[in-house]
Amino acid sequence: AQTVTQSQPEMSVQEAETVTLSCTYDTSENNYYLFWYKQPPSRQMILVIRQEAYKQQNATENRFSVNFQKAAKSFSLKISDSQLGDTAMYFCAFMNAGNNRKLIWGLGTSLAVNP
Amino acid sequence: SQTIHQWPATLVQPVGSPLSLECTVEGTSNPNLYWYRQAAGRGLQLLFYSVGIGQISSEVPQNLSASRPQDRQFILSSKKLLLSDSGFYLCAWSREIYLPLHFGNGTRLTVT
Repeated sequence: AQTVTQSQPEMSVQEAETVTLSCTYDTSENNYYLFWYKQPPSRQMILVIRQEAYKQQNATENRFSVNFQKAAKSFSLKISDSQLGDTAMYFCAFMNAGNNRKLIWGLGTSLAVNP
Repeated sequence: SQTIHQWPATLVQPVGSPLSLECTVEGTSNPNLYWYRQAAGRGLQLLFYSVGIGQISSEVPQNLSASRPQDRQFILSSKKLLLSDSGFYLCAWSREIYLPLHFGNGTRLTVT
């Protein structure tokens, strides 16, 4: 069965510093997609970044970037120059590109950015 | 641009009462629509998804049902709420099935 593991239930970082959130997944498939979603205190779920497994280049969106290690089945999220508005729950999610295209979610990492 | 509306934001209902949560999408046609539930301290659980009017797929057996009476309208219902139905319900849409998802603001349901 495909699983997504976020081993850090809670993390904190000082404003303007860099933080990395870890995510590992388990699959026997070769083609799939990976996502990071952010859920701030307002509870709205927001897509932060996505990565296609066939792309070797790590995805980047402004201050957010990923370190995608396909062989290690690792998909960590790096937040640079952390801002107070980055305080949120961060969810890693996996989706198989095949017929059974269901999103598998991690349990989330609660990130607090401290002033 | 596309927007998704979900209401109400919060709801407190007694056990045994009916439920109706509504979700509408604007700015796109024929979206894929989803209902998720997020229990406290847990990840997201997919409840239902729909690829078109009247087409509903259920992911888990439960006390809830979903309907899609119009292209951009998705409704989550229950005839009799249980305590275990309490949680945070999120509606979402996507252009392609499952990928990527755009979420509404959610409904906090408390069954008392």
